[in-house]
Amino acid sequence: QQQVKQSPQSLIVQKGGISIINCAYENTAFDYFPWYQQFPGKGPALLIAIRPDVSEKKEGRFTISFNKSAKQFSLHIMDSQPGDSATYFCAASMSSGANSKLTFGKGITLSVRP
Amino acid sequence: GAVVSQHPSWVICKSGTSVKIECRSLDFQATTMFWYRQFPKQSLMLMATSNEGSKATYEQGVEKDKFLINHASLTLSTLTVTSAHPEDSSFYICSARESFSNEKLFFGSGTQLSVL
Repeated sequence: QQQVKQSPQSLIVQKGGISIINCAYENTAFDYFPWYQQFPGKGPALLIAIRPDVSEKKEGRFTISFNKSAKQFSLHIMDSQPGDSATYFCAASMSSGANSKLTFGKGITLSVRP
Repeated sequence: GAVVSQHPSWVICKSGTSVKIECRSLDFQATTMFWYRQFPKQSLMLMATSNEGSKATYEQGVEKDKFLINHASLTLSTLTVTSAHPEDSSFYICSARESFSNEKLFFGSGTQLSVL
């Protein structure tokens, strides 16, 4: 059973446009939801994260929207740039506990056309 | 953000040899480190979780005698792929967390292992 599902599988956006990536989760005990960005041959880098007590969080061009009742959260990249072309993973975890571990989505490949 | 250094970034070895990958937290003490495996264009698959000074906890289906994990200090964890075979070829990534109460995970840059 896939606990964290991402959509779409791939995304092509024009430079300056808005990239929107969605994520749905199953486990209502999850209380930490990060997004990671990964370039080819590199490890993932934490972009932005949210907890269920807020519905939106913005950091620069990146915004997370969170819908607890729908068990969904999304990443919005405003003014998308070619340098944003990468693979994006959503993830979820229970934040407490020594061994709380992230469950990752399958990832989506974003291509921003110049 | 915190820096996690992983070394080597790539390694090629002959079948039957063992390979050691190091993961270091450079500017914080990592109480917990995680090891992942990633195949091309796929997600990260958690292999094991290690806490400093104790035995690693392996995910179902991961051979603990094949993938030896040592977390001897708060800044260093190692993954040793023993008697490597071509099917072990993969991208291995470590991550580290500063404390039990801090959910933020910081990742190393990964190690591409190719077994001939």
